[in-house]
Amino acid sequence: KQEVTQIPAALSVPEGENLVLNCSFTDSAIYNLQWFRQDPGKGLTSLLLIQSSQREQTSGRLNASLDKSSGRSTLYIAASQPGDSATYLCALPRGGGADGLTFGKGTHLIIQP
Amino acid sequence: DAGVIQSPRHEVTEMGQEVTLRCKPISGHNSLFWYRQTMMRGLELLIYFNNNVPIDDSGMPEDRFSAKMPNASFSTLKIQPSEPRDSAVYFCASSFGGRDTQYFGPGTRLTVL
Repeated sequence: KQEVTQIPAALSVPEGENLVLNCSFTDSAIYNLQWFRQDPGKGLTSLLLIQSSQREQTSGRLNASLDKSSGRSTLYIAASQPGDSATYLCALPRGGGADGLTFGKGTHLIIQP
Repeated sequence: DAGVIQSPRHEVTEMGQEVTLRCKPISGHNSLFWYRQTMMRGLELLIYFNNNVPIDDSGMPEDRFSAKMPNASFSTLKIQPSEPRDSAVYFCASSFGGRDTQYFGPGTRLTVL
């Protein structure tokens, strides 16, 4: 069974800083990994999906990396903005070849203006 | 596309009542997922369908929960009878295939008094 841990649970930084969110997982036999963003009272928005054959994926100011052997992924946010404030969730397949995702508890990010 | 549509957005009911949550997936998507989010347990997969067929319902907490997908454009999650511990946000998500990017609806916030 896949278990996902996200560190830190919360992070507050001044606007403009570059930051890294961390995700670790227990089962490295994955076919992909997704990063989501959740705004308060809203649904989840997919940010990036990395296939197991990829090392990283980029979208604008976001860059996600994947290291299957160590069971880690990072989400790098460059030049943070107040609009980046949200909860960021890491999600992976549940394990055992099953579809559906297992989520970490998320990192609650606040960007101070 | 309008995205994944869920209704109602908010539901307040009394213990013992039947609750039905509804989901319309993105047109053309073949996989549909129901998740539940609570502060204590985070996001958990309840059940998922491929081509309208339930594949894995091992996440459904009790027999009080049931889900159907009568056609490709509609799914329901029913709780009968409801209990206060069922209070949570219920999300529906869809994807082209079980391993593709999942797109989430806005969720239904359920409160059982």
